[in-house]
This record gives sequence, structure tokens and C-alpha cells, in this order.
Amino acid sequence: AAGVIQSPRHLIKEKRETATLKCYPIPRHDTVYWYQQGPGQDPQFLISFYEKMQSDKGSIPDRFSAQQFSDYHSELNMSSLELGDSALYFCASSSGGTGGEEEKLFFGSGTQLSVL
Amino acid sequence: GQNIDQPTEMTATEGAIVQINCTYQTSGFNGLFWYQQHAGEAPTFLSYNVLDGLEEKGRFSSFLSRSKGYSYLLLKELQMKDSASYLCVRGVDTGFQKLVFGTGTRLLVSP
Repeated sequence: AAGVIQSPRHLIKEKRETATLKCYPIPRHDTVYWYQQGPGQDPQFLISFYEKMQSDKGSIPDRFSAQQFSDYHSELNMSSLELGDSALYFCASSSGGTGGEEEKLFFGSGTQLSVL
Repeated sequence: GQNIDQPTEMTATEGAIVQINCTYQTSGFNGLFWYQQHAGEAPTFLSYNVLDGLEEKGRFSSFLSRSKGYSYLLLKELQMKDSASYLCVRGVDTGFQKLVFGTGTRLLVSP
């Protein structure tokens, strides 16, 4: 079965550079979530999209932006990178139903971002 | 995690049973998920509870008490591959579903 695909798998950047992470949700999933997980920390919700519109916003820095495209894939753009941005970035998708178990998320393998 | 409490670490031996407890803030509650996460990998869905009681899925069972804001994940016949972090995750009814993650319980299974 198709899963959530994220690219790249690993990314190394220097301070003040920009990075773009991509996420391709499971087919027919209309909701995409982005999470940031620092070393030894729980995943922190960044932002979500439903039907190509931003649906919710969490602790996403102003330096970051994201969007969901017409084919439902999503991109997380990160500018002026800081050392503290080094983390594992997960994308997840769901069918976005009316609640309940249908809301369960399917996660991609993540993008490990290292800022040097 | 935001208003979700679970033990940081637990240890157990192969073949044993372990119970991982989770307490959470009840406001806006919309379901309780458990996810398993191996180091450096994505969380994977284990179970979902929205009504009180026990849900059993093979070696894993999950229990919920909504009035107490309490859940547990029960793992039976532990195997070495069960060594992972177990995330208690609360569904929040904000119109568009969002999940709030606990800090996770790191389980170490030894021979």
C-alpha cells in the first residue's frame, strides 16, 4: 500500500540558508500535517492543511511557511535557518473525516535536517 | 507534552507484560491514540479509544476512562522488537482535527 513520502530523507544546511521539505500524502488523503521533533522530544505540531487551505497553525516560526498544492502534496519552506532548527520533520496525512479513528495519522519517514 | 503525562522510561523482560499509563487534560477531548515510535523512525498507529473500556488487538490492548482522563497501553508477551517509545496522543476537537502528543515512554525490553 502507498505510504506518505517525504523528501529529502536527510538534509544538511548552514545557518541562514533556506530549505524546502516535500511531502506526498497517501492517495485520497486530503489533510496534511507537519510536525517537528527535536532530539529526545515529542513531536510538536507546526501546521496543517485541509483541501489545500491552511486549517490549523501550531508553533511554527515566522521564518517558516508551508502550502498544499492542487495535487495535495505539501512543501515546508524554511528560511534563515538556525542551529535550533535541527530536527526530524515529519509529515503525516489523514482522510480528514468527521473525527474518530478515521482521523488517525499516517506518518512519513521524516526528513532529518541538520543545520551547521 | 501539553497536559499529557506518561512515564519517561520503563524496562521489562522478554515474555513479560507491561502497562504504560497516560493521564491527559479532558477538555476538548476527542479520542485517545497510542503510537509506537522506533528511534529515528516515524510514529506508527497502534490503537484508538473514544469510549470507555478496553480495546484488544493481539498482544496490545488499550484502555480508556474518560471521566478520569486516563488511558493505558498493555503489552503482553513482550518481544525485543517492542523496545521503542510509546506515545500517548490526545485528539483535540478544534473543528479540524489536531493531535497533541505526550512526551512518550521509552520502553526497553531485555532478554
